[in-house]
Amino acid sequence: EVQLVQSRAEVKKPGESLKISCKGSGYSFSNYWIGWVRQMPGKGLEWMGIIYPGDSESRYSPSFQGQVTMSVDKSISTAYLQWSSLKASDTAVYYCVRPRDGGYGAFYFDYWGQGTLVTVSS
Amino acid sequence: EIVLTQSPGTLSLSPGERATLSCRASQSVRRSNLAWYQLQPGQAPRLLIYGASSRATGIPDRFSGSGSGTDFTLTISRLEPEDFVVYYCQQYGSSPGTFGQGTKVEIK
Repeated sequence: EVQLVQSRAEVKKPGESLKISCKGSGYSFSNYWIGWVRQMPGKGLEWMGIIYPGDSESRYSPSFQGQVTMSVDKSISTAYLQWSSLKASDTAVYYCVRPRDGGYGAFYFDYWGQGTLVTVSS
Repeated sequence: EIVLTQSPGTLSLSPGERATLSCRASQSVRRSNLAWYQLQPGQAPRLLIYGASSRATGIPDRFSGSGSGTDFTLTISRLEPEDFVVYYCQQYGSSPGTFGQGTKVEIK
């Protein structure tokens, strides 16, 4: 059974750094892209980016380029999303996802993690 | 980028009734690359439909998808209590893939 298990909720202050995680199991982690989707409070879903564990190639949505950093440790089947300096507007639920290629540089997502709530408040 | 508009915003129905959710794209979605997702509070979101009409693994056959071009539909033939949640469509025919704003199905 494919599972993506995310790290717990976090409460941070503006300016702090943060790294959240997503551990994949039940499939060959190194052979599938893994990505992140944001849902801000009361809002819809936004694709942030994807990364390939095999060689760490990453692709960011233009809206998130330079705002976050994705990484992976394929030895422990875990993907990470990190911020160097959080803002209040980063408050959201972040889902890790397993992307499937639609053939035009865009992806749908066949498995999702349970989400990590990040709250940034002074 | 392609903008997806879902309607209605909220659908009020009773268990056992049929639900019809609409997703309209601002331009044609190549190869009908459209997916539907179900988001339940406190749970991992679930892929229901991909390629506009293909059911994902383990999805009950009361869920069906149809459409092409700019107009797509998710139909739930008979609503079960666990179906009263939020649904999103997503196009992946052009980059970046984009989501609709969601339709909430609530108990009438």
